[in-house]
Amino acid sequence: DAGITQSPRHKVTETGTPVTLRCHQTENHRYMYWYRQDPGHGLRLIHYSYGVKDTDKGEVSDGYSVSRSKTEDFLLTLESATSSQTSVYFCAIRGMTHSGNTIYFGEGSWLTVV
Amino acid sequence: GDSVTQMEGPVTLSEEAFLTINCTYTATGYPSLFWYVQYPGEGLQLLLKATKADDKGSNKGFEATYRKETTSFHLEKGSVQVSDSAVYFCALGSFTGGGNKLTFGTGTQLKVEL
Repeated sequence: DAGITQSPRHKVTETGTPVTLRCHQTENHRYMYWYRQDPGHGLRLIHYSYGVKDTDKGEVSDGYSVSRSKTEDFLLTLESATSSQTSVYFCAIRGMTHSGNTIYFGEGSWLTVV
Repeated sequence: GDSVTQMEGPVTLSEEAFLTINCTYTATGYPSLFWYVQYPGEGLQLLLKATKADDKGSNKGFEATYRKETTSFHLEKGSVQVSDSAVYFCALGSFTGGGNKLTFGTGTQLKVEL
């Protein structure tokens, strides 16, 4: 258990509405990530953070923004949701173990845009 | 750029059969390699990892060896159980020299039948 909590776990929203997903971690990790999972694509990186107020884009960042005002929270916002953003969203943290860097995932947030 | 290719699924086996899921990668530098497992409706769990050439990762009867000469990290298990039914993801992590990314394959679904 890497101490990652995602909320909400399930959400249905309408096209054009803003949506914010929250990722909360309890172990003071510096690096946090947002991925989306879609059939046939595996997981793709949306945005990541390497510290408070320090974020960068991943490979599928269009239509998404992020914020990190505290070490423990990393927010993903869909400014105006579209049907193509229906997906499962996973938050992850990068932790250091005796065998090196490892990325650990939260339980996921299922988002449906109708 | 970095990429991971894993065998298409679904893979259907009888209980106690031998499992191999192929994974090959393309990367610069010295990446770490991972296998994650995802059970229905859940997040991704780290199954095993290897951080350098010829390392063998192992966990719960699963094994994979980091083969730099063939750029492969095939997952094996000698005797699968019904409870091993899940989706398995091979991933490549580049965390050195400023790298900060985990690249996933598209996943292989395993179904184990009695």
